[in-house]
This record gives sequence, C-alpha cells and structure tokens, in this order.
Amino acid sequence: SQTIHQWPATLVQPVGSPLSLECTVEGTSNPNLYWYRQAAGRGLQLLFYSVGIGQISSEVPQNLSASRPQDRQFILSSKKLLLSDSGFYLCAWIPGTAGGYTFGSGTRLTVV
Amino acid sequence: GNSVTQMEGPVTLSEEAFLTINCTYTATGYPSLFWYVQYPGEGLQLLLKATKADDKGSNKGFEATYRKETTSFHLEKGSVQVSDSAVYFCALSPTGFQKLVFGTGTRLLVSP
Repeated sequence: SQTIHQWPATLVQPVGSPLSLECTVEGTSNPNLYWYRQAAGRGLQLLFYSVGIGQISSEVPQNLSASRPQDRQFILSSKKLLLSDSGFYLCAWIPGTAGGYTFGSGTRLTVV
Repeated sequence: GNSVTQMEGPVTLSEEAFLTINCTYTATGYPSLFWYVQYPGEGLQLLLKATKADDKGSNKGFEATYRKETTSFHLEKGSVQVSDSAVYFCALSPTGFQKLVFGTGTRLLVSP
C-alpha cells in the first residue's frame, strides 16, 4: 500500500541550532513531493517541491533548504534555526493522477 | 494569479445544525477543487474533490459543488456532529500543474 511517513512528530530546538526533518513514501516510485509550513493561526505555505532525485524547487526565500537524496525521501533542513521557523511542517505527495495531496502526520517545531 | 478565499472563522454551531463554509477562487483555465480537513494535532486529510464544473464532491455527509459561474466551491453538511470540529481548508490545483493553492482555513467548533 502507499503510505507517507514523517518524523519526528514534535521537536523543540534552540535558536541557532540545526534542523533535519525527514519524509519518506512507500509503495510508489518517482512521486512529486512537497514541504508545507503552517504557522500558528495561519494557512499553509508551500516551501519546496521536488519532481525527482536532486530536483528541488523553492517557493519562498528563507532560512530553510530541502534535499531529495533518494527517490522516496525528502528532507527539510536548516543550518541555524530562527524563532520565526516555529510551526507545523507537513510533507505531502500526489498518489496517482487523480489529483490532490496525501499528507504526512506533520512535525510540530518549536524554536526557543 | 491563482488564489483561494475562505470565510473567516471560527464557525460555532450546535450539534445537528446546518453547516456552510464559503470558498471562492481565482484561477486561469479549469482548476480542480478540494476540501481538506485537519483534526487537532494531525495532518491534513482529503475530504472531497471536484475536477470539473458542476461536479459534486461528497464524503462523510459533506458536499461541495464546483460552480464555475460563481467561481465557488462551498462546503455544506446537513447535520454536524461534535466530531466534525476541525479546521477545513479549501484548495485548488491549477490546470496542468500539480501544486495545490490553499485558503487560510476555517475553524469549525461544534458544541453538544
């Protein structure tokens, strides 16, 4: 079956520390993968998307970066976290051709 | 450009009341339209979708009709339950693209 895994579920990090969030997909190959952020009380902002290994498109300039080292792995990183990086981070992919995303369960990041 | 506008929340209802959450969109071409639901502390789940004008998406008692003439995709449910309390996101996928554009979300609170 096709599933998406995201971890960790929650994370508390100090300002200036590095970040690595991981997302993996099972049961498919060459999926389009996406990272979204949901700030407190706000909507969803697309951060990055990837159509294949090593192919990353950035939607907004910011303190974050993304990488896709393997077909079914998508990583969100930062070298030095800012307070404004706090939020709920969601990984998503599009199964099949019917449209619409399937989301992971999310990572709640609090930068202190 | 492509955008989605949702009614401001929170929407507060008593159990068994009728629900309408308004959603209008701006897009070129013929986008696909979606409603997602986010329960507290969780990721987003696809609730329903419609891919062309006059299509009606439905799931779990929720319905929404793709109205091209009014560029709307309002979410309705005849009788809400406490368990429907969540944040609801309207979204569109522009023609030929596989990226979703989300509204800001509408929080629904249902009391017994």
